[in-house]
Amino acid sequence: EVQLVESGGGLVQPGGSLRLSCAASGFTFSSYWMHWVRQGPGKGLVWVSRIKNDGSSTSYEDSVKGRFTISRDNAKNTVYLQMNSLRADDTAVYYCAGDPGRGPDVFDIWGQGTVVTVSS
Amino acid sequence: DIQMTQSPSSLSASVGDRVTITCRASQSIANYLNWYQQKPGKAPKFLIYAASSLQSGVPSRFSGSGSGTDFTLTISSLQPEDFATYYCQQSYSLSLTFGGGTKVEMK
Repeated sequence: EVQLVESGGGLVQPGGSLRLSCAASGFTFSSYWMHWVRQGPGKGLVWVSRIKNDGSSTSYEDSVKGRFTISRDNAKNTVYLQMNSLRADDTAVYYCAGDPGRGPDVFDIWGQGTVVTVSS
Repeated sequence: DIQMTQSPSSLSASVGDRVTITCRASQSIANYLNWYQQKPGKAPKFLIYAASSLQSGVPSRFSGSGSGTDFTLTISSLQPEDFATYYCQQSYSLSLTFGGGTKVEMK
């Protein structure tokens, strides 16, 4: 079964840090580009970051540049999102999504999401 | 960033209705447009890529069209399982963006 399982979400104070993980199974993870997409409470979807299949290239949405870092370990079939200097407006469900990398970016496979709440 | 605008933001429809959702890009994106369906409390599901290509396993009642700046998602005959929120997403630029969503509700 093709699956992505996120973990690492929780409650964190403003200015704090959190590391999200997303474990993949059922497909050739090392061939897939991976993304993080978030959704604030009652809001729409917002793309956060992408990493190339071999980890050699990354991109970020402007509001998280310099604060978030995406990485991956293809030996562990896992992608990570290190989130630093968290703000209240980072509160969201964070989804990881897989892109087969055969053309323009698409979010083909989705995890169930992990909730991040930034509050004092 | 490329802005994506969906209309309407919500609509009410009945089973069997033909439903059309519009997505407009702030600049030309050729056919680099994808559609997703999201049900409450669930992750989005990938429906259509390259504006009009149906993802494997997606029912044929779903179709997409358009190019440049104007795109549509059509559900030819709405089924009970289609009540959900639909999002368009452009993959033309490095910074990916979604439309604000269209919620399809039961009339």
